Amino acid sequence: QKEVEQNSGPLSVPEGAIASLNCTYSDRGSQSFFWYRQYSGKSPELIMFIYSNGDKEDGRFTAQLNKASQYVSLLIRDSQPSDSATYLCAVGLNSGGYQKVTFGTGTKLQVIP
Amino acid sequence: DAGITQSPRYKITETGRQVTLMCHQTWSHSYMFWYRQDLGHGLRLIYYSAAADITDKGEVPDGYVVSRSKTENFPLTLESATRSQTSVYFCASAPETGGGYTFGSGTRLTVV
Repeated sequence: QKEVEQNSGPLSVPEGAIASLNCTYSDRGSQSFFWYRQYSGKSPELIMFIYSNGDKEDGRFTAQLNKASQYVSLLIRDSQPSDSATYLCAVGLNSGGYQKVTFGTGTKLQVIP
Repeated sequence: DAGITQSPRYKITETGRQVTLMCHQTWSHSYMFWYRQDLGHGLRLIYYSAAADITDKGEVPDGYVVSRSKTENFPLTLESATRSQTSVYFCASAPETGGGYTFGSGTRLTVV
């Protein structure tokens, strides 16, 4: 079982729709959860992080965390063609004073105009 | 310029040669990391550093060497490059207080 699992996609949504990206993780001790966006040929860019159960909203983005189900999701409202990218889920676990972060392989999102 | 910079952006080298990838950050972040990104594997940690002169292995350290004599620099050396080390390499940094990583723009390395 992979430590952080994501559906590779592509996930195709029409412009203006809600895109829902999902991620599961295996280590119940995980404490921090991140979503990165990576455009083709570019480096990952942090867009959201969440530490507590529930929802966290930032503009059009909402991160959702359910530790009991070991599940993290990212909702993108009013999706735009510029949101087309690969979204990486990352999970952090404190290990000897160091936050070990494990990345999923990413979900490719395509927003269709 | 403020931020995290990697050099070179692209590198082609021959099997068996030594090559060093550079990473420089201007935030005085405590933590620095080297990842490689390959199709199907995602981002895999090679080495990380918690501070100057403190480094430790990640998931895939074999064939790589790192050093961190100054907080701002974290070079990655491939001692004897192999074709399996063809990849995109990302350097990242993070403050001691936690939070997400900031990545450099990456180095695309091809070993022929």
